[in-house]
Amino acid sequence: AQKVTQAQTEISVVEKEDVTLDCVYETRDTTYYLFWYKQPPSGELVFLIRRNSFDEQNEISGRYSWNFQKSTSSFNFTITASQVVDSAVYFCALDNNAGNMLTFGGGTRLMVKP
Amino acid sequence: KAGVTQTPRYLIKTRGQQVTLSCSPISGHRSVSWYQQTPGQGLQFLFEYFSETQRNKGNFPGRFSGRQFSNSRSEMNVSTLELGDSALYLCASSLRLAGGLLETQYFGPGTRLLVL
Repeated sequence: AQKVTQAQTEISVVEKEDVTLDCVYETRDTTYYLFWYKQPPSGELVFLIRRNSFDEQNEISGRYSWNFQKSTSSFNFTITASQVVDSAVYFCALDNNAGNMLTFGGGTRLMVKP
Repeated sequence: KAGVTQTPRYLIKTRGQQVTLSCSPISGHRSVSWYQQTPGQGLQFLFEYFSETQRNKGNFPGRFSGRQFSNSRSEMNVSTLELGDSALYLCASSLRLAGGLLETQYFGPGTRLLVL
């Protein structure tokens, strides 16, 4: 069975602070994919990043960066210099390539205050 | 390219009724997956359709069903609605190729269903 844990249910920061959202996963598969999605109040899940289990390179995209560590089964997401527009619920998800069946974590609600 | 579209966006039904939700995938995408989001259970996978065939199914009762048409559009149906079926239903499409590697799922805006 697969499992994704986002221990932080809610985080509140002041604009321009850096913030890291934690994600820990469990799977017995050697091939799997990890994702981060953003869900603004409108409800739509917006794709942010995808990583496969054979690619542990960290990635940076503008103010966003991701740290994938297989040794600790973690795939953490950092927002640098946070902005009010970053306020949303962020979901980490796992798919084992058996099909398009994402297992989601519980989500982390990020509130960025001006 | 247009994104995933879902209709209707909002729906109010009463217990015992049935409901049909529709999803049009991104052009060229052949895989459509459905998810249910509730405050208590979070985001849960319902089922996936590819080339008009259900490929995977989540742990939901038989009241939840779906289908996919030849143009890849998909519908999901919930019969005999219960209060607990109130949720945001999200549809996602991906460019899944037969025998190919997993592709990213892109989500629609969802349908908010309220069962009274």
